Amino acid sequence: EDKVVQSPLSLVVHEGDTVTLNCSYEVTNFRSLLWYKQEKKAPTFLFMLTSSGIEKKSGRLSSILDKKELFSILNITATQTGDSAVYLCAGMPSNDYKLSFGAGTTVTVRA
Amino acid sequence: EAQVTQNPRYLITVTGKKLTVTCSQNMNHEYMSWYRQDPGLGLRQIYYSMNVEVTDKGDVPEGYKVSRKEKRNFPLILESPSPNQTSLYFCASRTGSLEQYFGPGTRLTVT
Repeated sequence: EDKVVQSPLSLVVHEGDTVTLNCSYEVTNFRSLLWYKQEKKAPTFLFMLTSSGIEKKSGRLSSILDKKELFSILNITATQTGDSAVYLCAGMPSNDYKLSFGAGTTVTVRA
Repeated sequence: EAQVTQNPRYLITVTGKKLTVTCSQNMNHEYMSWYRQDPGLGLRQIYYSMNVEVTDKGDVPEGYKVSRKEKRNFPLILESPSPNQTSLYFCASRTGSLEQYFGPGTRLTVT
C-alpha cells in the first residue's frame, strides 16, 4: 500500500521566519509529488514535481524532490500571516489514477 | 470559469437515511475522485473514475457508492449513512498527469 508521511504535524512561527516542511513517500511506480495549500476550504494546488533535484519556485515558496531518498521539501521564506494553512503533499503513481495524501502539516504564522 | 461544484455544501442527516452528494465539473476532465477528510488523517480517497462508466475503489470505499453516467457528473451515494461517515467530503477532477482541482467541500454530519 502506498504511503505518504509529512513532518512535522504542526508548527508555529513568527512573521519573517523561514519554514521547511517535509514529505516522504513510498508510492509504487511513482511519477510525481504534488503540494497543496488548504485554508479552511478546498486544497489549492502549489507545485507538481516530477524530476529529481530541480527546484520549483513561486514567490516565497519553493520545493524540491529527491527521488533517490524518496522525499520532498517545501520551503516558505519570509513567512506572513497569510501563509497560515495546512500544507498537504500527495504522491501520484504512473497510472495516474490514485493520489495518496499525507496527513498534512499545520503552519501557524503569528504576527 | 473552470470549476468543480458540489451540493449540498452542508448536510445534517440521521442514521440510515439515504443521501446523495452531487459533483459536477465543467473542464471535460476524464478523472474524477471523491475524498473524505478527517482530523489527523488527511485526505483519503473513497472512489475514483477514469472515465464514463469506469469507476474503482479507493482506500475507504465501504458504505459508499458512485456512478459515472456522464463525463461531467460523479455523484457520491450513501445508501445507509452511519455516524462514522461524519466528515468533510471533497470531489476532485483532473486530466492526465496534471494538477487536480477540488470542489468546495461538503460537510456531512450523521446523527
